[in-house]
Order: sequence, then structure tokens, then C-alpha cells
Amino acid sequence: GAVVSQHPSRVICKSGTSVKIECRSLDFQATTMFWYRQFPKQSLMLMATSNEGSKATYEQGVEKDKFLINHASLTLSTLTVTSAHPEDSSFYICSAIGPDQPQHFGDGTRLSIL
Amino acid sequence: GQNIDQPTEMTATEGAIVQINCTYQTSGFNGLFWYQQHAGEAPTFLSYNVLDGLEEKGRFSSFLSRSKGYSYLLLKELQMKDSASYLCAVREGAAGNKLTFGGGTRVLVKP
Repeated sequence: GAVVSQHPSRVICKSGTSVKIECRSLDFQATTMFWYRQFPKQSLMLMATSNEGSKATYEQGVEKDKFLINHASLTLSTLTVTSAHPEDSSFYICSAIGPDQPQHFGDGTRLSIL
Repeated sequence: GQNIDQPTEMTATEGAIVQINCTYQTSGFNGLFWYQQHAGEAPTFLSYNVLDGLEEKGRFSSFLSRSKGYSYLLLKELQMKDSASYLCAVREGAAGNKLTFGGGTRVLVKP
């Protein structure tokens, strides 16, 4: 069964809306969670690394004020896309690692901004 | 930074074997992962190599040579459901366990 749960799986909303995506580790405590973005027919691009209780580390070119990450507990991280625009439409995927665990991925969130 | 290269596409016949190569350059190698990703879905973990040699898991095997910066994923007895993208990812120990992914190899299995 799934070890990382991501919700929602699909979001369609109007331009200017803020969208929150949740990522939960189900059977283990995730020391680190990662947020990726994937455009069609391209590979995963890491957006940020999130450690529980500390500020996320963003990759170069990713706006931290646009993509807010909160890692409030060892089992939950959230990504909020603020004031989303059509160019933010993409497939967003989280992953989590814990002690003696490979990196497990959530099922992804397909975000469509109209 | 890292450079991870893998072929863009491969085609093979059902029942055959396909080998997907991955070469990488990294400053602090701490493991290489292979993931399978079907269109519209998230990646699923296939294998992990941190020491040189071959890891076998059923129809899938993965090989690593750290001195050559080279890995391959071997898929045997191909089935139609194996049509997917296969992602090679390298973990860099100095970078907090984050994975850097190659561009992925789309494998098409034909009858």
C-alpha cells in the first residue's frame, strides 16, 4: 500500500487562487520531504527540500514567496501555490524519506489554472 | 552539480530484454535509484545501488560501477505493462539526501 499520501490529486481553479497541497508519510516519520514539479514528457525537477521544524531549502530559480512550504510535523508537509496563474499549471509530486527508507513518492497533484 | 544522462526512448518486443543505461557525474555519490513512471502517475521505486555490482529483483536488475559513473537497469521477459518511463536518480551525500533525476527513458513494448 501507499506509504506517502498526497492530496488533492487534481485541482482546477481560476487564476489568482491559492492552492494548498498536502503530503503525508503514512507508516514512518519523514525526516525530509521533497517537492517536485513535472511538465509533460519531462523529468522531475526538484523545487525544494523540507525538513521538519525548519525553513525549506529552495532550488535555484524557485520563488519561495510563490511556493510556500510548511513542514509542521514529521508526517506532514504542505505546499501552497500562492496567487496561481496558468503558467503554474503542472504536475506536483512530493516525496519523503525516513530512517532506512528509500525515497517514496506521493501520487501527485495535477494543477490546472484557468 | 550533477550530469545524469540516459537515452530518451527505447523500443523492444514483448518477452525480450531491454537494458537502459545511465551515466552520471557527481561530487559526492551516495546511491543510485531507478524508478518507473507511467504516464500521469507518480514514480514508483524499483531499485537502489550504493555499492558496485548487480542487484536483482525478479524481472528487474540494476548494476552499478562507481568508478565509471555508470549504471544500467535490465528488464527481462518484457510485458506490455512495462511500457513506461524509467528514471535514473542519483543521491548526493553532501546535498542532504536529495535526488537529482535524469531525463527519463521512455520504453515502448510492442507485441
